Amino acid sequence: QLQLQESGPGLVKASETLSLTCTISGGSISSNNYYWGWIRQPPGKGLEWIGTIYYSGGAYYNPSLKSRVTISVDTSKNQFSLKLSSVTAADTAVYYCAGQSNTSCFSVWGRGTTVTVSS
Amino acid sequence: EIVLTQSPDFQSVTPKEKVTITCRASQIIGSALHWYQQKPDQSPKLLIKYASQSFSGVPSRFSGSGSGTDFTLTINSLEAEDAATYYCHQSSSLPHTFGQGTKLEIK
Repeated sequence: QLQLQESGPGLVKASETLSLTCTISGGSISSNNYYWGWIRQPPGKGLEWIGTIYYSGGAYYNPSLKSRVTISVDTSKNQFSLKLSSVTAADTAVYYCAGQSNTSCFSVWGRGTTVTVSS
Repeated sequence: EIVLTQSPDFQSVTPKEKVTITCRASQIIGSALHWYQQKPDQSPKLLIKYASQSFSGVPSRFSGSGSGTDFTLTINSLEAEDAATYYCHQSSSLPHTFGQGTKLEIK
C-alpha cells in the first residue's frame, strides 16, 4: 500500500527558504501511474496546490508561487522535495505531499507537516 | 485560473438525512472534477474522481454527478462519521484549484 510521509523543519525564519521532503513507501517514485504533488493549507483555510512533478523531472507550478518554488525528485531515495524561498508569515501552513493519478486527482496523501514562519 | 465555488459553506444536518453539496466552476471543465473529505486534524481523502467515479473503499452512500460547470456531491443516509469539510478540485487546466470547502456538522 502506497504511503507518503513529509519531513522537514517545523519553524522557518522569514526571508529564508522552506525545505520539505516527501518519502514514498510501498511503491516506487518511478511508477508510471503517479505524478507527485505538494498542496498546502493555511490555518483555518482551504487547500492550495503548489506544484507537481513527474519522476523524470518535468515539473509545473502554481503561477502565484512559481518565482519562489522548486520541486525535485531523488529516485535513489524514493523521495521528492519542495523548496520555497523568501518565505513570509503568509506561507505558514500545513504542507501535504500527495500522489496524483495521471495529473488528475490526488489519490494518496501524506499526513501533512506544519510549517510556521517566524519573524 | 478556474474558480470553484461551493455551496453551502456550512450545513448542520441530522443522521440519516440526505445531503447535497454543489460545486460550480467558472469555466467548462468537462468531468475533471474530484471530491475530497477532510476530517479535523487529518489529511484530505479522495471520495469521487472524474465527477461520478467512486474511489476505492469509499462507502456507497457517497455519490457524485455533473459535468461542464455544475457538479454535485450527494451523501445518502448521513452517518455521524461523515462530519467533515468537503472540497471539490478541478484538474481540467493549470493551475489546479480547489473550492473553498463545505463544512458539515452533525446535530
